[in-house]
Amino acid sequence: NAGVMQNPRHLVRRRGQEARLRCSPMKGHSHVYWYRQLPEEGLKFMVYLQKENIIDESGMPKERFSAEFPKEGPSILRIQQVVRGDSAAYFCASSRDSSGNTIYFGEGSWLTVV
Amino acid sequence: GEDVEQSLFLSVREGDSSVINCTYTDSSSTYLYWYKQEPGAGLQLLTYIFSNMDMKQDQRLTVLLNKKDKHLSLRIADTQTGDSAIYFCAEILSSGNTGKLIFGQGTTLQVKP
Repeated sequence: NAGVMQNPRHLVRRRGQEARLRCSPMKGHSHVYWYRQLPEEGLKFMVYLQKENIIDESGMPKERFSAEFPKEGPSILRIQQVVRGDSAAYFCASSRDSSGNTIYFGEGSWLTVV
Repeated sequence: GEDVEQSLFLSVREGDSSVINCTYTDSSSTYLYWYKQEPGAGLQLLTYIFSNMDMKQDQRLTVLLNKKDKHLSLRIADTQTGDSAIYFCAEILSSGNTGKLIFGQGTTLQVKP
């Protein structure tokens, strides 16, 4: 039973380019969460999605960031026109429901903007 | 407000017990978690405790929950060098039932041989 799968694990982008991070939840999980970890900081919630729906995007920057979780395929976190301050580790997590009874994290995608 | 606080650093000798402390703010949090992060890696769920429990033990790990003081602790018995990592405490907000975790800033555990 594979865990939460994220790719790419490492991504380098030049300023102004787009970054796309993908997340496949654990089997049987329909709830996906994205978190960002800036260097030497804890994780900050970005967005919570269920299939085809954004439930809570209170942690998403207002511009350049978007997320989706289509009916088929992985969840995508998209960052347009990246800037150096976007350099961080982006973690995806999934759960079976929203009760909080175990939320499992992926290995993360490390974005470096040069 | 939403805030989870942890001390930033703890150093222990191999074989000793480690106690990592955490305070949280949401008195109606349903679950509280401990995650472990090794350098360059993701978060490993170590254990969690439901809010109606005071203690949970899992092999070398003991979680204590003091709801009155909103204080959570993780005790690692017989600490090994492989336990060196960053440990994150997290609470789940009950409002809106969104499953959103609020993390502390992490405690770096250094285990000296």
